[in-house]
Amino acid sequence: NAGVTQTPKFRILKIGQSMTLQCAQDMNHNYMYWYRQDPGMGLKLIYYSVGAGITDKGEVPNGYNVSRSTTEDFPLRLELAAPSQTSVYFCASSYPGRESTEAFFGQGTRLTVV
Amino acid sequence: AQSVTQLGSHVSVSEGALVLLRCNYSSSVPPYLFWYVQYPNQGLQLLLKYTTGATLVKGINGFEAEFKKSETSFHLTKPSAHMSDAAEYFCAVSDGNNDMRFGAGTRLTVKP
Repeated sequence: NAGVTQTPKFRILKIGQSMTLQCAQDMNHNYMYWYRQDPGMGLKLIYYSVGAGITDKGEVPNGYNVSRSTTEDFPLRLELAAPSQTSVYFCASSYPGRESTEAFFGQGTRLTVV
Repeated sequence: AQSVTQLGSHVSVSEGALVLLRCNYSSSVPPYLFWYVQYPNQGLQLLLKYTTGATLVKGINGFEAEFKKSETSFHLTKPSAHMSDAAEYFCAVSDGNNDMRFGAGTRLTVKP
C-alpha cells in the first residue's frame, strides 16, 4: 500500500531553472494538497485540488503552478526558481467526510535553490 | 479562516516524565482537530484526531488529547515520555473540507 508518493526526494536547482515535483496517491482520495515547510513556520498551503480538473490557491501560491488531470496525480510546477523557494515540500491527500477527514502525507521533497 | 497557535517551539522533558504540548485554535465552524508527528527526514504521521463525540481522544504511542471548546484548546499529553518520542509535533485545525491549517510546530526533546 504505497499511499502518497513524492519524487524526487532531493533536488538542487539554479536560480531561474524550472522543475516539476511529482505527487501520486493510490487511495482514490479526491482532495490533494501541496504544502511547504520552513523552519519554525509550520506548513503553509500552496495549492489544493478537490478533484480532477479543479485546483485552487492556498496561502502561498506565488511562484507555483499545479494541474490535476487525474485523481491520482497532482504535480507542482516551479517555473522560475528563486532562493525563497528553498524549502521542504509535502504533498498530501484526503477524503473529507465525517470520520475520514485527516490528510495523508508523502515523505517530502527537499529543494534547494542556489 | 481557521488558525492554530502552538505554545512553545521547543519542549524538553526527562525520560519517564509527563509530556504536555499545548495547542489553541481559532475556528468559525465546529473544528476538526489533529495532532501529527514528524520524525527527522520523514513526512507527517497522524497521531490522533477529534471530529465529533468524545472530547478525550486517544492516539497511537500512548498519546491523548482533550478537546476543550470553552478554552479553544486541544493539548497533547503522554503520561511517561520515551526516548523514541523525540520528534516535531504539529497541531492542525480543519473545517472538514479542504482548509487545514497547521501550527508552527513544537520540537520535543527527551533527555535520558
